[in-house]
Amino acid sequence: EPEVTQTPSHQVTQMGQEVILRCVPISNHLYFYWYRQILGQKVEFLVSFYNNEISEKSEIFDDQFSVERPDGSNFTLKIRSTKLEDSAMYFCASSQEGTDTQYFGPGTRLTVL
Amino acid sequence: SQELEQSPQSLIVQEGKNLTINCTSSKTLYGLYWYKQKYGEGLIFLMMLQKGGEEKSHEKITAKLDEKKQQSSLHITASQPSHAGIYLCGASYSGNTPLVFGKGTRLSVIA
Repeated sequence: EPEVTQTPSHQVTQMGQEVILRCVPISNHLYFYWYRQILGQKVEFLVSFYNNEISEKSEIFDDQFSVERPDGSNFTLKIRSTKLEDSAMYFCASSQEGTDTQYFGPGTRLTVL
Repeated sequence: SQELEQSPQSLIVQEGKNLTINCTSSKTLYGLYWYKQKYGEGLIFLMMLQKGGEEKSHEKITAKLDEKKQQSSLHITASQPSHAGIYLCGASYSGNTPLVFGKGTRLSVIA
C-alpha cells in the first residue's frame, strides 16, 4: 500500500543552524502539507502546497520557513535558522485531487539544542 | 474557546469493555477525520465522515457524524490492548484545506 515517507526520522541540530526535512508524498497525490506537533500538544498546521506554490500558511510559518518541491517526488521543509522552540515532530501529509483524506508520514523528530 | 473539542482527554478501560470518544466542532464541518497515533509516532488514518448521519466502521471501531450537533463520536467495541494509543479528530471546513486537530484522547487498555 502506498505511503508517505519522511527522512530523517530524527534530526538533532544546534540553535541557529539550517535544517531540511524531506518528504516523499504518495505518488498520485497533488496536495501536500506540513504540520508540527510540539511534545504533548496538538498537531498544528504549517503550510499547504498545490500546483507548485503555497496555497495556505499559518502564522507559525514565518520567514524562517520555506517549502520546495525540487523534483517530481520530494517535498521539503527548510528552517533557515532554528530556534529552541522549533523542537517538535514535523509531519508531512498528502491528499489526492477530488478526495480530502490526508495521509500522514511517520514524522521527523527535530531537536534543537 | 477551542475550535475542536475532544473528550475525554484520557481514558483507561479494562480489556473487553466498550468506550466512546467525542469530538465537537464550533464551526460547520466539511469533513471530520479520525486518526490514531502511537506516542511519538505518525498519524494513522482510521476514517472520514462527511455527511450527516454517516456511520463508518473499521474493524471494531465505529464512528458517526451528527450534523445537527457538529459532533462525531468514535466507539470501540470490546477493547483490546492493540487499541491503546492517542485518538485524534481532525476537521476540515472546506475541500482540500488544512485540518484542525483536537487535543487527542489518550486511551489505555488494561488486562
